[in-house]
Amino acid sequence: QAQLVQSGAELRGPGASVNISCKATGYDFTRNYIHWVRRAPGQGLEWMGTIDPSGAHESYAQKFRDRVSMTSDTITTTVYMELESLTSADMAVYFCARGGTNFYSNWFDSWGQGTLVIVSS
Amino acid sequence: QSALAQPASVSGSPGQSVTISCTGTTNGIVNYRPISWYQQYPGKAPTLLIYEGSKRPSGVSNRFAASQSGNTASLTISGLQAEDEAEYFCCAYVETSLWVFGGGSKLTVL
Repeated sequence: QAQLVQSGAELRGPGASVNISCKATGYDFTRNYIHWVRRAPGQGLEWMGTIDPSGAHESYAQKFRDRVSMTSDTITTTVYMELESLTSADMAVYFCARGGTNFYSNWFDSWGQGTLVIVSS
Repeated sequence: QSALAQPASVSGSPGQSVTISCTGTTNGIVNYRPISWYQQYPGKAPTLLIYEGSKRPSGVSNRFAASQSGNTASLTISGLQAEDEAEYFCCAYVETSLWVFGGGSKLTVL
């Protein structure tokens, strides 16, 4: 079955960037969108963006549009999410999640284990 | 403030049923848009409970049921068990914001 495995925890200073990987196995990598969702302490889930792993299409939440980028590597079946200009407000656990085969599909049926990003000087 | 409003907390005793609401704060945000629901335990990744408004993935207990009417979606958990104590989130696709989550509802099993 589908499995998503993320890279480990990261510590970054304010203003730095972070790049998190999400390796997908157990299904046809290019068929399903991959989404990124984060959860900050004391907050709820927040959708950040999605990518078609075939490389054809990304869409980002307006809040992150000017400092996030999502890429994919079909050879290693890995999706990457880079977030720039980090502030303390970006301290959160970041999840990748598998979406549907259609852009508008509203379900995330397999999730990575989460990557903790700490922003501190 | 999320475009989807959920009660911050709900509670029930073992064996009882509880319902968690998810109401669109913008008119029409929930109408005709299939809602998905997620369960999240502390320190764990969310898991999909319901998709397309009322469908359960394989492996999800039939104690979880969902419906939508007008601008409100609801998740009902019947026969409450201690293991149901978790946080629950609704999610919708919205043209203006793409995907949005409700603020989450913490379920306490008394």
